[in-house]
Amino acid sequence: GNSVTQMEGPVTLSEEAFLTINCTYTATGYPSLFWYVQYPGEGLQLLLKATKADDKGSNKGFEATYRKETTSFHLEKGSVQVSDSAVYFCALTNAGGTSYGKLTFGQGTILTVHP
Amino acid sequence: DTAVSQTPKYLVTQMGNDKSIKCEQNLGHDTMYWYKQDSKKFLKIMFSYNNKELIINETVPNRFSPKSPDKAHLNLHINSLELGDSAVYFCASSQGADNTEAFFGQGTRLTVV
Repeated sequence: GNSVTQMEGPVTLSEEAFLTINCTYTATGYPSLFWYVQYPGEGLQLLLKATKADDKGSNKGFEATYRKETTSFHLEKGSVQVSDSAVYFCALTNAGGTSYGKLTFGQGTILTVHP
Repeated sequence: DTAVSQTPKYLVTQMGNDKSIKCEQNLGHDTMYWYKQDSKKFLKIMFSYNNKELIINETVPNRFSPKSPDKAHLNLHINSLELGDSAVYFCASSQGADNTEAFFGQGTRLTVV
């Protein structure tokens, strides 16, 4: 079956530090990969996505590249802000078949950014 | 104009009670979902409906019964609530294709006492 593994948190950084949150996956076929963000007290929002190998998703200064050879989709940001404090989820869906967009999530990584 | 709205936002109830959570989406999507987030933030799918038909049921206890009166609504009814049902429940919708974005509601924090 599908699975997603994220680096354990929590992650605590100072403002303007470099961020990496590792994500690796196991899936059959050719999954689509996503990063979702959950701000305190809110639902999940899509941060970025990539649907095929070597695609790079980017949004709000965050980036992640779909690496099929290493089955990875690591999230990076060059300079974090206090407002980036949130829980970050790596997720996948299986392309094709009858999964109907069902998301398999990693365990989430709590990020706290201090001024 | 909220895309996916669920009510109530908070629900505190006693063990053994029956409760419902409602969800509505105004995005015109064909597919709706219920996800459960436990106390460690882990998210797992419970159910999925496509055009009012149940298509995914992830070995959820029979006490949980989803109902979709039309493709814009997916409600979750829970019978005989147990302490272990305490969690945040998220409704979501998408076009159902595997590379499209899912839109999530704000969540319902259920506390069973």
